[in-house]
Amino acid sequence: EVQLLESGGAVVQPGGSLKLSCAASGFTFSDYAMSWVRQAPGKGLEWVAGISGTGGTTYYADSVKGRFTISRDNSKNTLVLQMDSLRADDAAVYYCAKGHIVVVTGIAFDFWGQGTRVTVSS
Amino acid sequence: SYVLTQPPSVSVAPGHTATVSCTGSNIENKGVHWYRQKPGRAPVLVVNDDDDRSSGIPERFSGSNSGNTATLTINRVEAGDEADYYCQVWDSRTGGVVFGGGTKLTVL
Repeated sequence: EVQLLESGGAVVQPGGSLKLSCAASGFTFSDYAMSWVRQAPGKGLEWVAGISGTGGTTYYADSVKGRFTISRDNSKNTLVLQMDSLRADDAAVYYCAKGHIVVVTGIAFDFWGQGTRVTVSS
Repeated sequence: SYVLTQPPSVSVAPGHTATVSCTGSNIENKGVHWYRQKPGRAPVLVVNDDDDRSSGIPERFSGSNSGNTATLTINRVEAGDEADYYCQVWDSRTGGVVFGGGTKLTVL
């Protein structure tokens, strides 16, 4: 059974940093691309970043480029999102999502975690 | 950037057919994926690559993609189908994933 368990959500001040993690199990982690997708309260889904199965290729939404960094540790089956220079509009539930293929291009997300909440407030 | 447009809401009576549209420039050239999200829950993949129904999704759900419009069709709608539905593509020009704004399906 595929399981994705996010952690790290918290209340952080504007300009602060936060690290989200996603522990994956139930599948061969390195065989699939992964992504982070967020959802602000009452809003739709917004893709944040994606990483290929090997970790060699990463992509970012324009809204987070230069501030967020996605990475993965295939030896530990863990996906990470390092978030720096946080802004009020980064507040959202952040979902870890498994891709249905090894590359990010053309990706669909066939499994999702339950999400972790990030609040940006002074 | 590539834009996907969905109607904010669709209403349908139980037992009838619901169609949710997703409009984008030459979307037929992209693989379209559809998700269902119920309140307080994570999204669930319903259809991937235009018309490939995801595991565990009833045959009542189907997808199509032609021209500038992709469509999710739900036959014999049930009360449990009430949810938000999102379309999604990969935009190779900008190198990113794009979601539609979502459609709230209401079962009357």
